[in-house]
Amino acid sequence: QVQLQQWGAGLLKPSETLSLTCAVFGGSFSGFYWSWIRQPPGKGLEWIGEISHTGSTNYNPSLKSRVTISIDTSKNQFSMKLSSVTAADTAVYYCARVADLRYVWGTYRYFDYWGQGTLVPVSS
Amino acid sequence: DIQMTQSPSSLSASVGDRVTITCRTSQSISSSLNWYQQRQGKAPEVLIYAASSVQSGVPSRFSGSGSGTDFSLTISSLQPEDFGTYYCQQSYSSPFTFGPGTKVDIK
Repeated sequence: QVQLQQWGAGLLKPSETLSLTCAVFGGSFSGFYWSWIRQPPGKGLEWIGEISHTGSTNYNPSLKSRVTISIDTSKNQFSMKLSSVTAADTAVYYCARVADLRYVWGTYRYFDYWGQGTLVPVSS
Repeated sequence: DIQMTQSPSSLSASVGDRVTITCRTSQSISSSLNWYQQRQGKAPEVLIYAASSVQSGVPSRFSGSGSGTDFSLTISSLQPEDFGTYYCQQSYSSPFTFGPGTKVDIK
């Protein structure tokens, strides 16, 4: 059974850097993309970005200038850093695995395993 | 970015009711549409992928349909454990976007 366990710093002040790590247990680590998704309190979900096991990244343009996702295949872990945070970055942050199904007629991707979520408040 | 809308934004239904939630996208996404259920304080869980494929382990009362820009999620017989918020999500093009959610309450 695949499990994602995430951790990172809690309360941040404006202008600081948010840093989170997600460890993957069970299943294969290579061959997948790994994503970060966030959810402000009481609001909807926002995709932040993803990284492949080879280190190829894809970011949401709305956050691209501030976000870096990295991977450590030796530890089956991937991480995210978000710089210059403001109160608008207050959210529960989730890590997730991207299932990638390839058929002759198309490719379908979805988030099939999620971490438990980490609430990161940003306040002065 | 592909914009997502969902309707209704919330609903209250009785156990045993048939419930349908709709999702519309701002441009055609073929069948690259997924549905998630999120219970309070928990991470979302995938129910349906590729518009109509039921994820392993998901009860058969959940079904999805649609293609292009109009999609729907149906719960054939609502159960008490089905409360929560339901989100659609497109995986057709980056950035991958989610709908605003439909909150389902059990009467």
